[in-house]
Amino acid sequence: DTAVSQTPKYLVTQMGNDKSIKCEQNLGHDTMYWYKQDSKKFLKIMFSYNNKELIINETVPNRFSPKSPDKAHLNLHINSLELGDSAVYFCASSLGTTNEQFFGPGTRLTVL
Amino acid sequence: KNEVEQSPQNLTAQEGEFITINCSYSVGISALHWLQQHPGGGIVSLFMLSSGKKKHGRLIATINIQEKHSSLHITASHPRDSAVYICAVKSAGNKLTFGGGTRVLVKP
Repeated sequence: DTAVSQTPKYLVTQMGNDKSIKCEQNLGHDTMYWYKQDSKKFLKIMFSYNNKELIINETVPNRFSPKSPDKAHLNLHINSLELGDSAVYFCASSLGTTNEQFFGPGTRLTVL
Repeated sequence: KNEVEQSPQNLTAQEGEFITINCSYSVGISALHWLQQHPGGGIVSLFMLSSGKKKHGRLIATINIQEKHSSLHITASHPRDSAVYICAVKSAGNKLTFGGGTRVLVKP
């Protein structure tokens, strides 16, 4: 009965590949987020969706494309992976945009 | 200079000691969050506050909007409190901006 789940937990891939990370929440929330935590453990917002509509799109390379098929899912697709994409990616969700956020366990992406 | 600054960056305490972590921010905010990241990597939301003070168990969070400052206090610290504590502010556009985190180690 995990609240916010992400798959996979670990992802190791070669430069140039395309990969996806999936996120699902069963909390009935309508807002979902993707964050990136770099090697220095600094967290930064990437995207946010509210009711399947993109509401936050930070300065992220267009190789990153979020997709929200429904309110419970927000997937992150990354094209042409680069070494600098190696990081831990966290998904989160909230009810509306003003309430506390619940985080997934993170996906550690390593690009070789 | 980051919009959100935390101090100290690292903190070591003996079990039972009172711990204070500080967060200063330079932008207008609608709310401030305190998060805890466990050694295993998971992130848990501890508090969300926009004024005054909140208490949950041994944790207390305060915010002074005029001074753009918040503190997180841990009373009677325990080794299981060892984690990274992260301050994040919600500003225009509903996005969270994070501080660099404070790594806390509580020794038995």
